[in-house]
Amino acid sequence: KAGVTQTPRYLIKTRGQQVTLSCSPISGHRSVSWYQQTPGQGLQFLFEYFSETQRNKGNFPGRFSGRQFSNSRSEMNVSTLELGDSALYLCASSLVAGGARNSPLHFGNGTRLTVT
Amino acid sequence: AQSVSQHNHHVILSEAASLELGCNYSYGGTVNLFWYVQYPGQHLQLLLKYFSGDPLVKGIKGFEAEFIKSKFSFNLRKPSVQWSDTAEYFCAVGSSGSARQLTFGSGTQLTVLP
Repeated sequence: KAGVTQTPRYLIKTRGQQVTLSCSPISGHRSVSWYQQTPGQGLQFLFEYFSETQRNKGNFPGRFSGRQFSNSRSEMNVSTLELGDSALYLCASSLVAGGARNSPLHFGNGTRLTVT
Repeated sequence: AQSVSQHNHHVILSEAASLELGCNYSYGGTVNLFWYVQYPGQHLQLLLKYFSGDPLVKGIKGFEAEFIKSKFSFNLRKPSVQWSDTAEYFCAVGSSGSARQLTFGSGTQLTVLP
């Protein structure tokens, strides 16, 4: 079974630009969560999507947005990029069946975003 | 708001030594607790999880963790580490109502010397 796939692996953008990151969950997984990982702040929750609806949102500005498609694939968008947005963006999928007990997060390898 | 504290940023051990990594959390409600591991160049992988029941949880690769509610702790242990255990270890907490919105600790880098 293929794991969580994130594309692209690496991205370099300039301040002020926008970027879209993509995540394909494990087959059958319907929930997709996004996390930002930086050396200073560690791993921080961005948002979670399930059945094409945002279910939870972390404490990030409105420049960070996302969506989920009917096939459970998800995209994350960051507009008006700032230097501080440089980070590893991780996507995680989970089955969401039988309650939380059966739904641990499975992470992808991440997209390394560098803003110059 | 939830918070997670991992006391050791970097731990260096020799092979066969015993391991204990500390994790303390602050949250007033029912929690779900996790340990994730990130081996060099690989993605985060779930080591073990606690939702309820027996506070001593066994995970993969010989790891275990004990939930001590009175101490708000969920320490990770392994009786005898191997060189292949070299990795970064993250403790994470989720509330019972949102198991996928996790709060992570800052991580502990474990280096095992052969």
